[in-house]
Amino acid sequence: DSGVTQTPKHLITATGQRVTLRCSPRSGDLSVYWYQQSLDQGLQFLIQYYNGEERAKGNILERFSAQQFPDLHSELNLSSLELGDSALYFCASSARDGKTLNTGELFFGEGSRLTVL
Amino acid sequence: GENVEQHPSTLSVQEGDSAVIKCTYSDSASNYFPWYKQELGKRPQLIIDIRSNVGEKKDQRIAVTLNKTAKHFSLHITETQPEDSAVYFCAASSESGGYNKLIFGAGTRLAVHP
Repeated sequence: DSGVTQTPKHLITATGQRVTLRCSPRSGDLSVYWYQQSLDQGLQFLIQYYNGEERAKGNILERFSAQQFPDLHSELNLSSLELGDSALYFCASSARDGKTLNTGELFFGEGSRLTVL
Repeated sequence: GENVEQHPSTLSVQEGDSAVIKCTYSDSASNYFPWYKQELGKRPQLIIDIRSNVGEKKDQRIAVTLNKTAKHFSLHITETQPEDSAVYFCAASSESGGYNKLIFGAGTRLAVHP
């Protein structure tokens, strides 16, 4: 158990819909990262938050948004869903702030598997 | 933009043999290079990492080497065992606005046959 909790574990929805994925980081971790893993694909970096503020951004679609709340949990919102958005979405947390020269181990949650029909 | 290429995409070895996975990165400012192992249906977990001021690091049967000049790094697993079967991901840090994001390779599916 990594200490990172993601809900829901599985989600099935239709094209055009909107979903919210939730992540609770390990106790004390201020950094949260979101990654997308499509079938047999690598881990695509979406976005990073540190202590409530966005710090780094990857190839995140405009239809996707995220935020980190004062209690440090994070949510990833996916809207106008398309078939290609079907994937496993991982949240990871880190004890480090992620600044240059201060990057360390990421602890991944079990992932939220999204299926868009 | 930043990119990490990983080879091979699949690797099949006999138990007891060695396995080598290679990665190249594009961002010359990258300074942190972790390797993650993802077993089937599970989350990725860190197995070893190396920073740019070090050329090699070992931890029991696994080792990582880094060549900053050539911008490539490799994972070596010796005396492979069936439980080493998994997907392995390399990653390289990429600085963005003072913060590092980790860019992952596409993964290598390693199968160790008894």
